[in-house]
Amino acid sequence: QVQLVESGGGVVQPGGSLRLSCAVSGFTFSTYGFHWVRQAPAKGLEWVAYIHFDGSAKYYADSVKGRFTISRDNYNNTLYLQMNSLKPEDTAIYYCARGGGYRYLEYWGQGTLVTVSS
Amino acid sequence: QSVLTQPPSVSAAPGQKVTISCSGSSSNIGNNYVSWYQQLPGTAPKLLIYDNDKRPSGIPDRFSGSKSGTSATLGITGLQTGDEADYYCETWDSSLSGGVFGGGTKVTVL
Repeated sequence: QVQLVESGGGVVQPGGSLRLSCAVSGFTFSTYGFHWVRQAPAKGLEWVAYIHFDGSAKYYADSVKGRFTISRDNYNNTLYLQMNSLKPEDTAIYYCARGGGYRYLEYWGQGTLVTVSS
Repeated sequence: QSVLTQPPSVSAAPGQKVTISCSGSSSNIGNNYVSWYQQLPGTAPKLLIYDNDKRPSGIPDRFSGSKSGTSATLGITGLQTGDEADYYCETWDSSLSGGVFGGGTKVTVL
C-alpha cells in the first residue's frame, strides 16, 4: 500500500539547518510530484513547496523562499527538504504528500516535528 | 491571514447537513481546481475531494464538493460524531506560483 514516512525532525537553534526526508513505497516514486506542507502548533495548514515528478520544476511559499530547498532522489525513492537559516516561526509539524500533479495532495505521511528554539 | 477564507467553525446535530465555504480570487479558485481535506484530532490530513467535486475511492458520498466562480463549498450530509474534525480547502495560486490553504473550519456535531 502507499506509504510516506518522514524523518529528520528535531530541535535546532535559530539560524541552524535541518534536512527532512520522506521515504515512500507502494507506488512508482518517479512518476509523481510531491509537496511539503507544515502545521505550526494549534494552527492551520501551510503549503511549503512542490517538486515535479522529474525535478524539472520547483515552487516555494514566499515564507521559505531562499531558505528551503526541495529535492528528490528517484533512485532511492526519497523526497527531501533542506531547511537553512531556520527561524522560530518555522516550528511546525512537516508533512510530505504525494501530489495529483500540483492540483491536490493525495496521500500524506504522518509528519515530523521541527522545533526552532534556543 | 490566509489567502482562502473559510468560516472558523460550523456545527449541526447528528444526521443534519453542514456546508463549509471557501472564498478566494481569480488567481486561485477562479482558475484552478479546489481540493478539500479532513484532519481528525492528532492525525495527518486526508484528501476528501479533489478537482472541485471528485471523491477518492473510499470517501462516502455524504461528502460533496462544488465550485462557482471564485468560491468553493464542501457539503457533509448525514452528520456523524466521527465527522468532528478540521476541514481545509486548498488550491493553486497562479500569481503566487504556489499552493494555498484556507484557514480551516472546525466541524462540531452537537
